[in-house]
Order: sequence, then structure tokens, then C-alpha cells
Amino acid sequence: EAGVAQSPRYKIIEKRQSVAFWCNPISGHATLYWYQQILGQGPKLLIQFQNNGVVDDSQLPKDRFSAERLKGVDSTLKIQPAKLEDSAVYLCASSPRDTTGELFFGEGSRLTVL
Amino acid sequence: GQNIDQPTEMTATEGAIVQINCTYQTSGFNGLFWYQQHAGEAPTFLSYNVLDGLEEKGRFSSFLSRSKGYSYLLLKELQMKDSASYLCAVRFLSGSARQLTFGSGTQLTVLP
Repeated sequence: EAGVAQSPRYKIIEKRQSVAFWCNPISGHATLYWYQQILGQGPKLLIQFQNNGVVDDSQLPKDRFSAERLKGVDSTLKIQPAKLEDSAVYLCASSPRDTTGELFFGEGSRLTVL
Repeated sequence: GQNIDQPTEMTATEGAIVQINCTYQTSGFNGLFWYQQHAGEAPTFLSYNVLDGLEEKGRFSSFLSRSKGYSYLLLKELQMKDSASYLCAVRFLSGSARQLTFGSGTQLTVLP
């Protein structure tokens, strides 16, 4: 079974530029999450989708971050304009609609903002 | 947000036993997870507790006390490859949504 796919793995941009990350979850997984993990910290939830609807985006900085999940499968996370403090690993995870709620993570996209 | 507390760092010797503690706010509790994360890699699932008691899975065990807002992860017969960050994550009910909130992680170093 293929895992969660993310791209790009690494991205370096200057502040005020824009960047987009892509995620393809495990086939059949209804729930998709974007987490931000700053070095030395645990992952912080940015947004959670159930199929193509947003379940929780309370911690998404909506003035600069946006995310969509068209057709309930792939998802894109965009940052525009980027700030220095956005330097982090952006983790995409998916889970099936079951009772345990175990998350399956992709390898992440590491963003460096200069 | 929900506070989840766990020690920042721990060190243990190969072959030993180590216990990593996690405390959390009990309001809205709906399950507790432990994940392992090696440097530069994604977190991987280790265990899940929703009822009080001990769940054993090979060398790893996880304990939960819901009334105390407390869990621990027990690692036995430590191996060098167990050096990693261990993340305590709590699922909370917020309205109709189930949110998984992670602690900052405990960096475990296993020494020879």
C-alpha cells in the first residue's frame, strides 16, 4: 500500500515570496491533515479536512495561509507571503474513518525562509 | 488550546528500561497516542489508549489514567535504534470535531 506522498521535500525561499506544498493521502482515507512542525517542537495542526470539507482550521493563519482539497483526494497548502517564522516542516497526514484515529504521516516538506 | 506536558530530554543506557511521562488536561479527552519520530523523518504510530490501564506491544507499553490526566510510555530492553523523539498526542472532542494535539516531544538518547 502506498503511503502519504508529499512534494517538494525541500524548499528555500526569501521572505515575502510564496510557496505551495502538495499532498496525496493514502487511497480511501477520508480525513487529511496539515501540520506545521518547528524544529524542536511537536506538530501543530493547521487544518483538517473530512473528504473535501474543512473540519477545523482554527489555527491556520488565514491572512497568509490557505489550503484546499479538491475532489476530496489531493490537497495543496499555500503560504503567501512567507515570513521568517514560517520556516518549519509541513507534514501531511491522513486517516481512515475508523475508531482509533491513527494518523499516517508523509515525509514532510521542509521550508526555509531567508 | 490544550496543554500537554512531557519532559524535553531523557538519556538511558542500552538494555535498560525507560519511562516517558505525559500529562494533559482532561476536559474533552477522547484518546491518547504515542508516536516515535526519528530525526528528519515523519512520526510513526506506536500505541493508542482510550481506557485506563496498560497496553503492551512487544518492547513498548503504554499506560493511561484518565482521572489523573496521565500517561506513560515504557520502553524495555533499549536498543540504539530507539534513540528518537517520542510524541504524546491527545485527541480532544471540540464540538463535532476530534482534534489531535501533540506535545513537544521527549528526545530520548540511548547510550552504549
